[in-house]
Amino acid sequence: GNSVTQMEGPVTLSEEAFLTINCTYTATGYPSLFWYVQYPGEGLQLLLKATKADDKGSNKGFEATYRKETTSFHLEKGSVQVSDSAVYFCALVMKGSNDYKLSFGAGTTVTVRA
Amino acid sequence: DSGVTQTPKHLITATGQRVTLRCSPRSGDLSVYWYQQSLDQGLQFLIQYYNGEERAKGNILERFSAQQFPDLHSELNLSSLELGDSALYFCASSPRLSTDTQYFGPGTRLTVL
Repeated sequence: GNSVTQMEGPVTLSEEAFLTINCTYTATGYPSLFWYVQYPGEGLQLLLKATKADDKGSNKGFEATYRKETTSFHLEKGSVQVSDSAVYFCALVMKGSNDYKLSFGAGTTVTVRA
Repeated sequence: DSGVTQTPKHLITATGQRVTLRCSPRSGDLSVYWYQQSLDQGLQFLIQYYNGEERAKGNILERFSAQQFPDLHSELNLSSLELGDSALYFCASSPRLSTDTQYFGPGTRLTVL
């Protein structure tokens, strides 16, 4: 089946540090890939997406590139802020499927210290 | 604000009880998804409705059911509740069946005592 594996957390960083969260996927076909973010006490927010190979999604200083050859969609940010402290979920949707349901990774908790 | 609303925000109940969680999708969205977020299972897809019809089922227990009404709001019914049903339940919506992007509500936190 389709699945997403993302790096185990928690990750603790200092402000202005570089953040990378690894995500790899297994899918029969060509999924759309997403990063969702969950701030403390809140719901899931779409952070960025990419729908085909070599696409780069970006938002709020975060970037991720859809790499078909390595089946990866790693999330990066060059300089994190305390406000980036959250849980980050990598997810996929199989285009052309019956349901377009999201399959999520386990989530990575990121804490940024001032 | 995603435009998806869920009520109630918190729900505390006892084992064996039944509860109903409500979701209103974004204006114009026809597709509604329900997900469960628990510590041991992570985020799991439960069920999808599209324009009033059940479209797909995931890891949904037989004690759980859902429906989507003509005004497109959806309800998730959980019965014979067990301690393990304690979780955050999210609703998400998208405009059409073939839309890959879903917008999530704030969730309902269910605590079963």
